[in-house]
Amino acid sequence: DIQMTQSPSSLSASVGDRVTISCQASQDIDNYLNWYQQKPGKAPKLLIYDASNLETGVPSRFSGGGSGTDFTFTISSLQPEDIATYYCQQYDSLPYTFGQGTRLEIK
Amino acid sequence: QGPLVESGGGVVQPGRSLKLSCTASGFTFRSYGIHWVRQAPGKGLEWVAVVWYDGTEKYYADSVKGRFTLSRDNSKNTVSLQMNNLRDDDTAVYYCARELRILRNKVFDYWGQGTRVTVSS
Repeated sequence: DIQMTQSPSSLSASVGDRVTISCQASQDIDNYLNWYQQKPGKAPKLLIYDASNLETGVPSRFSGGGSGTDFTFTISSLQPEDIATYYCQQYDSLPYTFGQGTRLEIK
Repeated sequence: QGPLVESGGGVVQPGRSLKLSCTASGFTFRSYGIHWVRQAPGKGLEWVAVVWYDGTEKYYADSVKGRFTLSRDNSKNTVSLQMNNLRDDDTAVYYCARELRILRNKVFDYWGQGTRVTVSS
């Protein structure tokens, strides 16, 4: 199975800050990576697909990059409504493993 | 209600069984694979299983293989997850999710609201 390692596991930042989360795959997954946002008590929501493509309707302050084994997720200017846990997920091969999540808090 | 609705969760003793259902509406159900993803209390997302759009292929996480079984009825827009020999560490919120495929891209674009399973004596 492909292991997905996210860092940091938690992050505290101020409104307006630029925030970056990293995700590393245990083997080359090309760009077969998605990013999801999950707010407490809610189902996950797709934000980024194919590593860098913004899902329709998602604000442009969210972005993703990388390929192969190393990926990043960035919020260019943190907003209060972005408080959530963020997960990367690979779909190169089953099982479609998730990273352990990054919990984002407002400082 | 959204396009996917889970049901069947509850409290069950270790070693017993439970059957979850995922019922779809508002899209052509028979065209999409359906995944189950679970989340233990305070933990992250764990992929559990998938059934292909036509029910011909099913895959399971190692943690549930041999205990969980997927079935699909496209005439009723339903996928079921039969969970046998439940263990304490199966306690989680279980989500079903639709897999959307466009060329080589695959995303979970629709999710249910989740159903809670608690395994406890």
